[in-house]
Parts: sequence; C-alpha cells; structure tokens
Amino acid sequence: DTGVSQNPRHKITKRGQNVTFRCDPISEHNRLYWYRQTLGQGPEFLTYFQNEAQLEKSRLLSDRFSAERPKGSFSTLEIQRTEQGDSAMYLCASSQSSRTDTQYFGPGTRLTVL
Amino acid sequence: KNQVEQSPQSLIILEGKNCTLQCNYTVSPFSNLRWYKQDTGRGPVSLTIMTFSENTKSNGRYTATLDADTKQSSLHITASQLSDSASYICVLESGGSYIPTFGRGTSLIVHP
Repeated sequence: DTGVSQNPRHKITKRGQNVTFRCDPISEHNRLYWYRQTLGQGPEFLTYFQNEAQLEKSRLLSDRFSAERPKGSFSTLEIQRTEQGDSAMYLCASSQSSRTDTQYFGPGTRLTVL
Repeated sequence: KNQVEQSPQSLIILEGKNCTLQCNYTVSPFSNLRWYKQDTGRGPVSLTIMTFSENTKSNGRYTATLDADTKQSSLHITASQLSDSASYICVLESGGSYIPTFGRGTSLIVHP
C-alpha cells in the first residue's frame, strides 16, 4: 500500500465552475477526513466519514460543498459554483477506527479559482 | 470560541541545537492533542498523539508535553537536523463530536 492518494494534484478553474476531487485512503482504514488549508494557515476541518456514513460536517462548509464515500472506500469532494475564496489546498486523511489512531494525510489537491 | 495559539510564529536554529515550540489552547473539554510536521507543499505527518489524561509522549527526537492546568502543550526537538525544517502544527480535538481546532503552526528553519 502506498498511502493516501489524491487526484488531481492541481486544478485551475474559472469562477462559477464545478470541481470534483477524489481521495483514495489507505485500504482498510474506516475513517476518512477532508480538510482545507490556505497559505500560511493551519488546516481547517471540513468533514469526516466512518465507512460510508458522513458523521460530522463543519459549519464553515457552505451548501456548495458536498462529499461522498459511497462504498466506504474512496471519497469525492465536490465544490459547486466555485468562488475565488475557495482557492486552497484540499487535504484528505484516513485512519483506522479509533479517535486516537494516527491520521495519514495525502499530498493534497491545490485548487486555484480564477 | 475554541482557539489554539502557537508560538513562536517562526524560529531559526543551528543544526544540532534543541528547540521548544509552544501551543496554548482554550478548547475544553478535549479528547486528543496532536502535533504534526508539515513540509512545504505536502500533507502533514503525525508526530505525537496525547489524550487529555497524558502529560508526555515521545517519538524519537520529538517529545510533546501537556499541562492541562495551564492549557499548554510544548513540542521539544532534540539535536535538530536540517530535515527538521518544516511547519509544526498543534491540533486539539474536542471532547464530544470530532471537530478539530488547528493552530497556524510554527515555521522552523534549521541552518547548517
């Protein structure tokens, strides 16, 4: 297993377009997390899944953001009607079942909204 | 409002020296406190995880401490190496639902 993978690594889009990112967690990891990080800041929690169930969603997440993990394996994060303020690094992490388990992060998807 | 404040914002040290990074928090109650290392342009890498009942945790040259009375944590790096140059991020996870609060990080530069 090569760790958490994310695709694409970079995405440039125009304001108003929809984008979708994919995260493939470490196999057999039950928990999957999405975070967003802007330059010079720490990551910001977006949402997390336990298997296919979305258990928490940040209040910072607007209705334009949606995430799915349909079969409890890979996950997608979609942003509709992108805005320039959505430009950030989107990070995915996975862990086993316990809240004290180590989270392993992927390399991230860098989104630039023009 | 839950907050995590890290200091210093940036730090420059010479290779081989020790250093200590600070994390002050207001998150209460919390379940876990984590320290991460993040290289530029890459995802964070876990260094230590402490529950609220622990007061120290080591991982090689990295030692994290927790003082729940003063609501402070520190990350001590021993015998620094050039590869320690990175951002170090402190994270508090709330005691109920999983809503982590991240600090902005301390940028560490190790010079030869």
